[in-house]
Amino acid sequence: KAGVTQTPRYLIKTRGQQVTLSCSPISGHRSVSWYQQTPGQGLQFLFEYFSETQRNKGNFPGRFSGRQFSNSRSEMNVSTLELGDSALYLCASSFLGVSNEKLFFGSGTQLSVL
Amino acid sequence: QQQVKQSPQSLIVQKGGIPIINCAYENTAFDYFPWYQQFPGKGPALLIAIRPDVSEKKEGRFTISFNKSAKQFSLHIMDSQPGDSATYFCAALEETSGSRLTFGEGTQLTVNP
Repeated sequence: KAGVTQTPRYLIKTRGQQVTLSCSPISGHRSVSWYQQTPGQGLQFLFEYFSETQRNKGNFPGRFSGRQFSNSRSEMNVSTLELGDSALYLCASSFLGVSNEKLFFGSGTQLSVL
Repeated sequence: QQQVKQSPQSLIVQKGGIPIINCAYENTAFDYFPWYQQFPGKGPALLIAIRPDVSEKKEGRFTISFNKSAKQFSLHIMDSQPGDSATYFCAALEETSGSRLTFGEGTQLTVNP
């Protein structure tokens, strides 16, 4: 069974640009959540999607958005990139996204903003 | 607002030692407490998890101890091996918050041969 797949693995952008990251969850998983990981702030929750609907949102500005498709694949978008957006963006999936359910993480997309 | 505090930030032990990582939380609505292990270049992977109605849980060489009244929990790694060298994160989850994990700051563990 394939794990959570994130593409691209690495990305370099400049300030002001926008970026789209992709996540393919484990087959059968309907919940996809996104996290930002930085050395200074650690792992922070961005948002969660379930059956194409955003179910939870973290404390990030509106420049961060996402969506989920009918096949459960998800994308997140960051517009007007800032230097501080440089981070490892992690996607995680689970069947239903409920408490005590095992969450599977991808290896992430490393975004560098210059 | 850091709702889960983790210590120490880094830890070095000898092979066979028992590293202990501690976490404290404030939000009493948290009801699920997982620990994740992360190797460089990889995403976090679930190690073991506990609910607050249990004071201890063991899985292989990994043990969680939970103190509900003190709002603290800890991870013990028995007979640690060099392959256990990784970053460990504690986390907490509210039952009604889906997959919204609140993570601790992380502990970088090094196990020397």
